[in-house]
Amino acid sequence: ETGVTQTPRHLVMGMTNKKSLKCEQHLGHNAMYWYKQSAKKPLELMFVYNFKEQTENNSVPSRFSPECPNSSHLFLHLHTLQPEDSALYLCASSPTRGERGDTGELFFGEGSRLTVL
Amino acid sequence: DAKTTQPNSMESNEEEPVHLPCNHSTISGTDYIHWYRQLPSQGPEYVIHGLTSNVNNRMASLAIAEDRKSSTLILHRATLRDAAVYYCILRRSGTYKYIFGTGTRLKVLA
Repeated sequence: ETGVTQTPRHLVMGMTNKKSLKCEQHLGHNAMYWYKQSAKKPLELMFVYNFKEQTENNSVPSRFSPECPNSSHLFLHLHTLQPEDSALYLCASSPTRGERGDTGELFFGEGSRLTVL
Repeated sequence: DAKTTQPNSMESNEEEPVHLPCNHSTISGTDYIHWYRQLPSQGPEYVIHGLTSNVNNRMASLAIAEDRKSSTLILHRATLRDAAVYYCILRRSGTYKYIFGTGTRLKVLA
């Protein structure tokens, strides 16, 4: 149990489908992250939210739409994806920078493996 | 963003120490050096981090060069459970940008 839970763990979708990935953390953190891990490539930072406000968008295509309704939940809405978007999508959380308890550590979930046909 | 360079892979025998190197020649004065590892079929997990001084914790030690342009993660006694991809990451103080490189795949031989 990592404290960061991602669902679904596996998802197969067609290019015309709309689906969502969900991330939930029970660590009391206020910052949440989406990373993409493709085969043979480094983890790529996609989005960062702090107190529900987006603080980083790493030039991610608009077919990926994040949503952070509260500090415990983060979604990644997917629509009209391409086969090259197939990857492991990892969610992470951390305390807000500089707040009490911030050791600089990121806590990751186990990821959602996405396959786009 | 500052970049890190690591060897693609390394091997170690079980019960022996392992030294995993990382070069970060473009590091700035406010960049923290983080190490994470990723076991098969799992998300990355935190190992250790530091700024200027060497650091020790229950998992590993981090040795940082005096000029901070390189660092070494030291696993004192490798076990089969330490087989993973180890990532050296720089994070600017006060930011949320953890930029991962390609990492070093550590193989531990029984």
